[in-house]
Amino acid sequence: AQSVTQLGSHVSVSEGALVLLRCNYSSSVPPYLFWYVQYPNQGLQLLLKYTTGATLVKGINGFEAEFKKSETSFHLTKPSAHMSDAAEYFCAVTGGRRGGSNYKLTFGKGTLLTVNP
Amino acid sequence: NAGVTQTPKFQVLKTGQSMTLQCAQDMNHEYMSWYRQDPGMGLRLIHYSVGAGITDQGEVPNGYNVSRSTTEDFPLRLLSAAPSQTSVYFCASSPDSRTLTPEAFFGQGTRLTVV
Repeated sequence: AQSVTQLGSHVSVSEGALVLLRCNYSSSVPPYLFWYVQYPNQGLQLLLKYTTGATLVKGINGFEAEFKKSETSFHLTKPSAHMSDAAEYFCAVTGGRRGGSNYKLTFGKGTLLTVNP
Repeated sequence: NAGVTQTPKFQVLKTGQSMTLQCAQDMNHEYMSWYRQDPGMGLRLIHYSVGAGITDQGEVPNGYNVSRSTTEDFPLRLLSAAPSQTSVYFCASSPDSRTLTPEAFFGQGTRLTVV
């Protein structure tokens, strides 16, 4: 079984400031980890993913995340926030290659990012 | 390149009515899933399918039925709508986890209100 905890349901930053959205997971098998972004009244768009290999992964729009197995974390960062980054962000986990359960994403509850001018 | 297509985008039902939410994908993905999104709850899995003719329950299956007669289509049926089913529904498809791109692709969602 997997679970995901996103710390902070609402994060507010100033334009140009660092964005840090926290995600911790639990999984009984090596996981696949994902960050999705949802803009108002839209579907979910993949930001980035970790499957295997390099633990620092880069995604779209300047976001990156680091898989830290020892801390069971997959925090999302962006060095400089832009107004267009305002959206809801979801961290998700599946059972990975060994788990074979790619159809069952377990999501965190989401973090709403507000960017202030 | 349509990806995952959901219809309708919006729907209002009266309590007790039934309806079917449609979902189709054109990426030849094996896996398809339905999620519901409620404020502060994230997305929760309703039903999923690992291939044509194979479906199973997710975390919140009560009040919903699914079937998968083809690889492309995965409709979600509400049998007797209740106000508790007011939500935004997302369909997703994904390839086998052994591919290089195991991520799920989502439709644009169906916003359902039950009055």
